[in-house]
Amino acid sequence: KNEVEQSPQNLTAQEGEFITINCSYSVGISALHWLQQHPGGGIVSLFMLSSGKKKHGRLIATINIQEKHSSLHITASHPRDSAVYICAVRGGADGLTFGKGTHLIIQP
Amino acid sequence: EAGVAQSPRYKIIEKRQSVAFWCNPISGHATLYWYQQILGQGPKLLIQFQNNGVVDDSQLPKDRFSAERLKGVDSTLKIQPAKLEDSAVYLCASSGASTTGELFFGEGSRLTVL
Repeated sequence: KNEVEQSPQNLTAQEGEFITINCSYSVGISALHWLQQHPGGGIVSLFMLSSGKKKHGRLIATINIQEKHSSLHITASHPRDSAVYICAVRGGADGLTFGKGTHLIIQP
Repeated sequence: EAGVAQSPRYKIIEKRQSVAFWCNPISGHATLYWYQQILGQGPKLLIQFQNNGVVDDSQLPKDRFSAERLKGVDSTLKIQPAKLEDSAVYLCASSGASTTGELFFGEGSRLTVL
């Protein structure tokens, strides 16, 4: 069973700051997902990674398969980025194993 | 493209009552998941379907929870009888492929058991 650890658990930053959220997992995976969940809202998939790096707007996700580690970066953060960011990993044909999430608050 | 539809959005019941949640995945998506998310925690997989077959239900409390996807399209999740600790958001997700497909989530069904 994969163990997924996210850090930090909570992060408060000022608008415009560069944000990094980390995810580590214990067992080799076939894919890693970064998800965003707004309060009271559903979950939106931001990225699905199996290697390297992906960029979408101000969001960048990287993964290091050898180190079993992924990072989600937000450049020029904005209050609307405030949400819970969840890392989830998939091994083989199994369902996803989720981290507990990082609660991000961006203050104006 | 229509997203994953779930209903009801909110449900309040008393313990020992029963409840059912419905999910309609994105058209053509073979894989459907039900997750339970307790406040402050990440989602936990309850059951995964591939078409109308169960792939993984190892974490489904089968004494009170049941789920079906009879025609391989929409799905229902039932809890009977409900306990206080079942209060959570029940999320449905679908993907086009079980191992490589991107996930699409519904808005969730928030259950409160009193």
